[in-house]
Amino acid sequence: NAGVTQTPKFRVLKTGQSMTLLCAQDMNHEYMYWYRQDPGMGLRLIHYSVGEGTTAKGEVPDGYNVSRLKKQNFLLGLESAAPSQTSVYFCASSYGADTSKQYFGPGTRLTVT
Amino acid sequence: GQQVMQIPQYQHVQEGEDFTTYCNSSTTLSNIQWYKQRPGGHPVFLIQLVKSGEVKKQKRLTFQFGEAKKNSSLHITATQTTDVGTYFCAGFNAGNNRKLIWGLGTSLAVNP
Repeated sequence: NAGVTQTPKFRVLKTGQSMTLLCAQDMNHEYMYWYRQDPGMGLRLIHYSVGEGTTAKGEVPDGYNVSRLKKQNFLLGLESAAPSQTSVYFCASSYGADTSKQYFGPGTRLTVT
Repeated sequence: GQQVMQIPQYQHVQEGEDFTTYCNSSTTLSNIQWYKQRPGGHPVFLIQLVKSGEVKKQKRLTFQFGEAKKNSSLHITATQTTDVGTYFCAGFNAGNNRKLIWGLGTSLAVNP
């Protein structure tokens, strides 16, 4: 199993550009999550999904949109990138909720200039 | 809102010394998880504690969950350079089990 994969690994955007980050998991997990990690800020939840076709807002959802059209994929979109969105983005998945460990992807390092 | 405080933020130790990081929640947790993130890597699940007062060991790592289920600790005995990284605790609110509440992590540096 590949586990959780993320595409791309690195990206540089100019302010105002848009992009989509792709997360894929092959573990048949119901739950998927998008986090951002900034120095000194830990992991902050952007959006999450508890199943195919469902999404919900996390702690810092502004400026991001997500979609979960297929169970194995969770897409994170930035419609108009801002320098404040420079961060490392991690996708994670889990079988369930409170008793399930989260499996993380390798991350995407995004720089917005 | 609910917070999970983690201390210390940073810790430098000499190889062979012990290390402890503490996690404190403002509310009761249904369970708590610990993750390790190596420099440049992604968080990797270490363990989950569910029961009040629970203690679990993984080789040199000892994890504890407080009696009131509001605090937890990770203790590493005789640190090695392979222990370098950031250790995160993350807990589920007893009333909301869909999202983990993450601590900010403790970064451990080990001098050989």
